[in-house]
Amino acid sequence: EPEVTQTPSHQVTQMGQEVILRCVPISNHLYFYWYRQILGQKVEFLVSFYNNEISEKSEIFDDQFSVERPDGSNFTLKIRSTKLEDSAMYFCASSEIGPEQFFGPGTRLTVL
Amino acid sequence: AQRVTQPEKLLSVFKGAPVELKCNYSYSGSPELFWYVQYSRQRLQLLLRHISRESIKGFTADLNKGETSFHLKKPFAQEEDSAMYYCALRAPFGNEKLTFGTGTRLTIIP
Repeated sequence: EPEVTQTPSHQVTQMGQEVILRCVPISNHLYFYWYRQILGQKVEFLVSFYNNEISEKSEIFDDQFSVERPDGSNFTLKIRSTKLEDSAMYFCASSEIGPEQFFGPGTRLTVL
Repeated sequence: AQRVTQPEKLLSVFKGAPVELKCNYSYSGSPELFWYVQYSRQRLQLLLRHISRESIKGFTADLNKGETSFHLKKPFAQEEDSAMYYCALRAPFGNEKLTFGTGTRLTIIP
């Protein structure tokens, strides 16, 4: 059964550094999402992406964040200058035209 | 603003006993409601959605619009039900974002 994959599983970075989190959505899916979960808190929506553009973004998704689908298979989340408070689990999800979103296993980002 | 509330962070139930995980929501209109489950070291996966009205792994959930609730129930808990359960809502008719509750960690005591 096809699955969403994410790399790396764990990323450690210094404050102020740029990080890129990578996701490979399920191949025939059209809608892509990033969510994050700070330890002990709820899963929060960051951004959705459809037809090569952002369709919605949350207040969290400020100018430090960007998303890209560079080659038709990968979907990336870039954080330009990481802050301590960006430490969280980042989940990628994808969906067809329909309600079910399929989640990846997550990337744990630790900012020191 | 849309919001999902799961009042219990932790819930422990004996094997064979009934389970009820509570979920209340706030939304102006008729949202789509979901239950997602995350087993230990696994990814978030969809358990139930209200529009399908099905029973998955013995779990059911009924949407109560009057009480704005979508509680998850199972008559007889099994050890393999131990997991983190998240209630979520979404605007209808689209591929909109999911809004999650804080989750309930269910532990089944053998």
